[in-house]
Amino acid sequence: SAVISQKPSRDICQRGTSLTIQCQVDSQVTMMFWYRQQPGQSLTLIATANQGSEATYESGFVIDKFPISRPNLTFSTLTVSNMSPEDSSIYLCSVEGPTGSVETQYFGPGTRLLVL
Amino acid sequence: GQQVMQIPQYQHVQEGEDFTTYCNSSTTLSNIQWYKQRPGGHPVFLIQLVKSGEVKKQKRLTFQFGEAKKNSSLHITATQTTDVGTYFCAGRQGGSEKLVFGKGTKLTVNP
Repeated sequence: SAVISQKPSRDICQRGTSLTIQCQVDSQVTMMFWYRQQPGQSLTLIATANQGSEATYESGFVIDKFPISRPNLTFSTLTVSNMSPEDSSIYLCSVEGPTGSVETQYFGPGTRLLVL
Repeated sequence: GQQVMQIPQYQHVQEGEDFTTYCNSSTTLSNIQWYKQRPGGHPVFLIQLVKSGEVKKQKRLTFQFGEAKKNSSLHITATQTTDVGTYFCAGRQGGSEKLVFGKGTKLTVNP
């Protein structure tokens, strides 16, 4: 299994500012993902963070709004830029790794963001 | 694009009653996974189903994958208060890396 930590665990931010969320994994992983989960909602994939190349963004998400870094195989950051109240959400880092013989997703504890 | 529908959105039961959540995909899935998210927590992997018609059990939980590999269900027998949380199905279309999550079913259990 993979142990994932995220910083900060929560933050309250003013609109127009930016927040960078850090994700640290205790082992080297190929695939790292960033999800958004709005209150009471499902998980929406923002992007796949690729080591050594640009992140791959899902439809509706763009690099200017959610720049991602992946400097090595254990670390990634997601920045939420020029925030608005609609960005209030939980942001989850995830990695793919084996559970026995199955490739599953391990999630970090999440970053709870409130934009005023 | 690939969609995974999940019903019901909410389910409230008395402790001891059974509970079922259903998951349906618009396309054939290579596999389906189930996750549980406790209140205030993050999703945790429960199980993966791969084969057509597959049934797997984990104690009081029974997972099924449909014959056409487009639908799945999770059934909990005799719910307990520890079963409280949101249950998500997540499917992967054949050849795709992306895992698509259903909207989840939020289960509450009245003691």
